[in-house]
Amino acid sequence: EVQLVESGGGLAQPGGSLRLSCAASGFTFSIYDMHWVRQVTGKGLEWVSGIATGADTYYSDSVKGRFTISRENAKSSFYLQMDSLRAGDTAVYYCARENYGNFDYWGQGILVSVSS
Amino acid sequence: QSALTQPASVSGSPGQSITISCSGTSSDVGSYDYVSWFQQHPGEAPKLMISDVNKRPSGVSNRFSGSKFGNKASLTISGLQAEDEADYYCCSFTSSNTWVFGGGTKLTVL
Repeated sequence: EVQLVESGGGLAQPGGSLRLSCAASGFTFSIYDMHWVRQVTGKGLEWVSGIATGADTYYSDSVKGRFTISRENAKSSFYLQMDSLRAGDTAVYYCARENYGNFDYWGQGILVSVSS
Repeated sequence: QSALTQPASVSGSPGQSITISCSGTSSDVGSYDYVSWFQQHPGEAPKLMISDVNKRPSGVSNRFSGSKFGNKASLTISGLQAEDEADYYCCSFTSSNTWVFGGGTKLTVL
């Protein structure tokens, strides 16, 4: 059974940092591109970042230069290092697996709150 | 990258059919068949309902169908049921090697 489990969320101050982790199981992690998608409470979905099997990385304009995505195939995990956090980054963050251009499995989501 | 355009809300009675539109540009919906649709119930993670414009993943009811013409994609739900009441989002790959979602459509089953 495919499972994606996020961890590392919580409260951070503006300008601070948090590192999200997504632990994958139930499939061969190394052959899939992986992504982070976020959702402000009561609002729509926003794609944040993706990392390809070859470790190429992609970012939305809203987080480019502040967030860094990485992966560790040996641990079937990938990460989102979030620096210079802003109030507007407050959201539920989901990790998702990309399967030939479609996000077919999602984690349960984890809340990131940025506030002083 | 601007969000794809979806109606904020649609509604229908049980048994009826509804269609949700998703308008993009030639840089996203119009250029790629990586267009998908997601269903999201309150407090839950999104669920993939349609992939590659019109393909249903295993386990998704055949009451759900997708299509695309030019820069506009559509999701049709036939034989509406109470459990279809949810938020629906379209999503497309873009020419910038990024992804863009629609603003979401709230479906109400009357």
